[in-house]
Amino acid sequence: AQSVTQLGSHVSVSEGALVLLRCNYSSSVPPYLFWYVQYPNQGLQLLLKYTTGATLVKGINGFEAEFKKSETSFHLTKPSAHMSDAAEYFCAVSEGNNDMRFGAGTRLTVKP
Amino acid sequence: SAVISQKPSRDICQRGTSLTIQCQVDSQVTMMFWYRQQPGQSLTLIATANQGSEATYESGFVIDKFPISRPNLTFSTLTVSNMSPEDSSIYLCSVLGTGGGLYGYTFGSGTRLTVV
Repeated sequence: AQSVTQLGSHVSVSEGALVLLRCNYSSSVPPYLFWYVQYPNQGLQLLLKYTTGATLVKGINGFEAEFKKSETSFHLTKPSAHMSDAAEYFCAVSEGNNDMRFGAGTRLTVKP
Repeated sequence: SAVISQKPSRDICQRGTSLTIQCQVDSQVTMMFWYRQQPGQSLTLIATANQGSEATYESGFVIDKFPISRPNLTFSTLTVSNMSPEDSSIYLCSVLGTGGGLYGYTFGSGTRLTVV
């Protein structure tokens, strides 16, 4: 079955600095990959997704992620962190017509 | 993408009682999923609910504790039975459009359950 590993349960960056949240996946078939964000006391919001085609995916709020099959990775980046980016981020993988499996999550803190 | 209405949004329940959570989708969907998010943790799949068949439960979850109904292609319920404080979590339903993963997964806003 598919699985996801998020490296780093907690990442702290300064405002304006690069954000890099790491995600590695395992899948027996070409995967569908997702990043979700969860703000305190709120539900999940889809940031971006990779299904097929271009490996660099752009999402909302200036985030993007690159699918690297050779590295089985789907890291999330943002060039310049904003205070409003502070939240929990979840990477998830699906094998298509199937359920989604989530990583343990990474809490992003942005320092002024 | 589909729009999901999940209710109740939150509830406080006495231990030993049961709560039924409803998930209504604005379009017909093949597969619906129920997840649990325990405090400070990630999402764990409870079960997959397909219309017209028994739900498929993940390891560690049983039908007697979490009975699920899926009477049609737009609706599902999850019941948390004989609740204990350990059941305090956020419960979320999710749907996958008939286009498979290409349409992505949509989540309801969740039900925040506190058992006292």
